Amino acid sequence: GEDVEQSLFLSVREGDSSVINCTYTDSSSTYLYWYKQEPGAGLQLLTYIFSNMDMKQDQRLTVLLNKKDKHLSLRIADTQTGDSAIYFCAVGLLSGSARQLTFGSGTQLTVLP
Amino acid sequence: SAVISQKPSRDICQRGTSLTIQCQVDSQVTMMFWYRQQPGQSLTLIATANQGSEATYESGFVIDKFPISRPNLTFSTLTVSNMSPEDSSIYLCSVEPWDREYGYTFGSGTRLTVV
Repeated sequence: GEDVEQSLFLSVREGDSSVINCTYTDSSSTYLYWYKQEPGAGLQLLTYIFSNMDMKQDQRLTVLLNKKDKHLSLRIADTQTGDSAIYFCAVGLLSGSARQLTFGSGTQLTVLP
Repeated sequence: SAVISQKPSRDICQRGTSLTIQCQVDSQVTMMFWYRQQPGQSLTLIATANQGSEATYESGFVIDKFPISRPNLTFSTLTVSNMSPEDSSIYLCSVEPWDREYGYTFGSGTRLTVV
């Protein structure tokens, strides 16, 4: 089955850019999502990208997709303390349901003042 | 996108008891999903619940331990039965959107502690 990998921790200074990386194994993955989880809360969808796209920008968020390397990244510009949270990438297949929505381990982003 | 109300938000339960978690959606949805997030871990799919049929469980999860009801298109429950401390986790429900570009919506989660 699909395997999704993320680094566990990232620390950045307030105002810097954060880049959170994700790799996956199934080249059939069609929908790629980034979710944010704040302490004690559920998951909030931040953004998504389709496999036929290379890049998507949404305000401070930029998603880059390298299909050849099966690598996904989330860049947060001008990182703020409110961005401190766990970020999950999740990949899914077009023809599937949540059975085929696989989550990475999550990256704990800490923003230092 | 759908709005999900999940309750309880947290509970502390005695070993050997059962807890039922409720998930209410503000619109009709075909598929609802239940996830477990163990401390410091990612999300693991427990089962998929379709209205009018039995839930489909993932490997490692069984109906006797995690019975699920799906009486209509806006509601589902997950019961954690005969609990042990190893069941201490966050349990989340999720729904599939009509258009997958909106992503799967999640409830706020139920933080369960078994003592």
